[in-house]
Amino acid sequence: GAVVSQHPSWVICKSGTSVKIECRSLDFQATTMFWYRQFPKQSLMLMATSNEGSKATYEQGVEKDKFLINHASLTLSTLTVTSAHPEDSSFYICSASNRRLYGYTFGSGTRLTVV
Amino acid sequence: GENVEQHPSTLSVQEGDSAVIKCTYSDSASNYFPWYKQELGKRPQLIIDIRSNVGEKKDQRIAVTLNKTAKHFSLHITETQPEDSAVYFCAAIASGNTPLVFGKGTRLSVIA
Repeated sequence: GAVVSQHPSWVICKSGTSVKIECRSLDFQATTMFWYRQFPKQSLMLMATSNEGSKATYEQGVEKDKFLINHASLTLSTLTVTSAHPEDSSFYICSASNRRLYGYTFGSGTRLTVV
Repeated sequence: GENVEQHPSTLSVQEGDSAVIKCTYSDSASNYFPWYKQELGKRPQLIIDIRSNVGEKKDQRIAVTLNKTAKHFSLHITETQPEDSAVYFCAAIASGNTPLVFGKGTRLSVIA
């Protein structure tokens, strides 16, 4: 079945530094990648949608200059949290879809802790 | 846009009893309704889904019903077991290239 590899699974970084999270679709072409954020005991909240080769579309309240999304190829999308602060600590998870495959494949998630 | 409401937020049942979680959606164009089970710190796992041309779907102890007129769908788990304890999310989408909109989740506890 469709597999999305997400790395790193967890990361601890200092306040003010940047962190890059990668999602790779291993056996299919991810025409669209959705990035979600999940705070403890809360639901998954959509941050942005990116289509391969296009600029990402961000949800209201999500700073595009802080959360940089790159989807340069059909198998790789990255989320970079720039100048991270403790309030950015969360579980970040990607979800890939393909126009021909009617379904969504989640990455394994990244637990980000900013200290 | 789509809005998904989910109830209850927490649910405790005795082992062997049934559990029912209900969701409503707002966008009549939505046509795909998956249910996910999420264990702590892990990715959501698809457990069952239903499309708008079907009213009910069953997979062993899990079933989902859909009422398009009322815009609600429900998850039914029968003969619950301790390993069913997790957070369950419903979701809805209108087309294959739009993001899943999730409900707020239900924390299910199955008491042995």
